[in-house]
This record gives sequence, structure tokens and C-alpha cells, in this order.
Amino acid sequence: IQLTQSPSSLSASVGDRVTITCRASQGISTYLAWYQQKPGKAPKLLIYAASTLQSGVPSRFSGSGSGTDFTLTISSLQPEDFATYYCQQINSYPYTFGQGTKLEIK
Amino acid sequence: EVQLLESGGGLVQPGGSLRLSCAASGFTFGSSAMSWVRQAPGKGLEWVSTISGSFGSTYYADSVKGRFTITRDNSKNTVYLQMNSLRAEDTAVYYCAKDFWSGSHDSWGQGTLVTVSS
Repeated sequence: IQLTQSPSSLSASVGDRVTITCRASQGISTYLAWYQQKPGKAPKLLIYAASTLQSGVPSRFSGSGSGTDFTLTISSLQPEDFATYYCQQINSYPYTFGQGTKLEIK
Repeated sequence: EVQLLESGGGLVQPGGSLRLSCAASGFTFGSSAMSWVRQAPGKGLEWVSTISGSFGSTYYADSVKGRFTITRDNSKNTVYLQMNSLRAEDTAVYYCAKDFWSGSHDSWGQGTLVTVSS
């Protein structure tokens, strides 16, 4: 199952609302997770089951979607949110990640 | 607190072998599926392999199937990745991860770098 994220990169300002899209090549129900990765660090789980916020993750992060189309939304960007974001399908093996979306400061 | 500590990375020649280890603590290891995820320099994440907790069922990416083997020793709270017939394209940081809901990864190690080069 291929995952296509868009955009591949994004420039935004603190306080902006940002949406990242992940499209699956076939239906995966809600078996999708989102991760944040900062340079030189391991990824961090943000959202699982497409829309469930992982414990400890700020509520400005939200996820939605099912089937083939999914979104990650950050309601009001904070300085610590500038990072690369990945979606991952966990519907069937082999699991796959999207190519990533790099969120940069404008 | 969950802790995952990878070791075993390093420089290896093409065609060579390496075994990575991941020592886990802070959770019930024997009942948790564990995975390896890698990241080539400057590239995105690639899922490599998963081993289930209960029955030790194993799953692999097509890119490593037949060359890599994932195993676990529940008495030592450790998961391993035996990597054979290594290629330049296997060069990456390899992360050990604890599986959470349906295969998502809620805890990660710091990663260990594997470099395949002559």
C-alpha cells in the first residue's frame, strides 16, 4: 500500500493553521498513524487510529479521515512544531510510511 | 518509563553481516510486539520488520526479506535484527520501536547507524 503525502514541504508562521494530507493507494479503514520527527531525533507518535490523540500530545494536533484520505491538522502552530511529519499505514503488512512533509518557518 | 537501547551498528562491507540488539525496559516486554524502522541519510522512514509478542510471528519489508531476520529473547527483554548480505542501500539509522495500537509505534530508541561501504 503506497501512501502519498502532500505537500512535501510547507512554510508557515507561528499561529497559522496547517493541514497535511495523506492518501493511501487502497482503503485502510482508520489504520493510520501520524508521527513528528525533529532533526537528529527519533520519531514521536502523535495520532493513531487516524484520529486518536496519543497521550501527552497537545490538543492543537488533530487527525481525521478513513478509507483512503486522511489529514493531520495543527490548529495554531507553535515554534516547537516545526519538524517533519510522516503518516504510516498499519492496515496490512508490509507497513508503509508516507514520504514526509517538512514544515518550515516562514 | 519505557526505554529502548539499540546497539550493534557500525561499518560493514557489502555482502557482510551485522546483528543489531535492542534492550527494552519499563514495560511488559513479552506481550509487546516490537519493530525495526530505518532511515537512510536525508531520507524518510522505512518500516523494516516486526515480531509479535505472543507467538513470535515475524513480518518483513520486501526490501529485506530473505536477508534480515528478527528474533526476540523474552528472558533478556531484547529484540534482535540479524542482517546478512548487506548492501549499500541498507545504510541507515536503525530504530527499535515498541508497537502500540495495531502496529503503530509509541516508543522508540535513539537509533544505531549502520554503514555499508567498502
